[in-house]
Amino acid sequence: DAKTTQPNSMESNEEEPVHLPCNHSTISGTDYIHWYRQLPSQGPEYVIHGLTSNVNNRMASLAIAEDRKSSTLILHRATLRDAAVYYCILRHRSYSGTYKYIFGTGTRLKVLA
Amino acid sequence: KAGVTQTPRYLIKTRGQQVTLSCSPISGHRSVSWYQQTPGQGLQFLFEYFSETQRNKGNFPGRFSGRQFSNSRSEMNVSTLELGDSALYLCASSLLLRGETQYFGPGTRLLVL
Repeated sequence: DAKTTQPNSMESNEEEPVHLPCNHSTISGTDYIHWYRQLPSQGPEYVIHGLTSNVNNRMASLAIAEDRKSSTLILHRATLRDAAVYYCILRHRSYSGTYKYIFGTGTRLKVLA
Repeated sequence: KAGVTQTPRYLIKTRGQQVTLSCSPISGHRSVSWYQQTPGQGLQFLFEYFSETQRNKGNFPGRFSGRQFSNSRSEMNVSTLELGDSALYLCASSLLLRGETQYFGPGTRLLVL
């Protein structure tokens, strides 16, 4: 199975951009890259996803390397409410046509006031 | 629109017992997935149900089972509980079987003594 690798933790100052990296060197051609975040005592929350092209939404931007073996989640201006564990996930399509999510270990983001 | 709800939120059981957890998806969502989250293993996919049928399964023993009802509500059952089954069990719903965005509930925290 494909897997993702992320740094265990990162720190950022409030109001500054944050770049959260993810390596997925064994990604398959049909695997989507998803990012979710989990705040304390809550279930994961969808942030953004993409396949090949860079993506933007109101929460963040996703930059995908040309070879798709890595990606970066970009929070343009970190706030204290962005402190969470960020998961880089592959939505993997098996040979049988079924899908499943493969979660990485996540990056704990600490935002400093 | 109400989010994904899970009951109970907390549960304490002893080894050898069995437990049933419940999940109500977002109204209109037909796919329900279950995940186990532990400090050591992180988030791991258990199974996915769509139209009352299990469509996808992770690498868990047969003690873990589930079902989905005609109203898309789902239950997960763990029989012969072991200490290692202590975890946060998360349910996620999506509109379709190959839903690109999953919406997670707050989880059920199970402690096995």
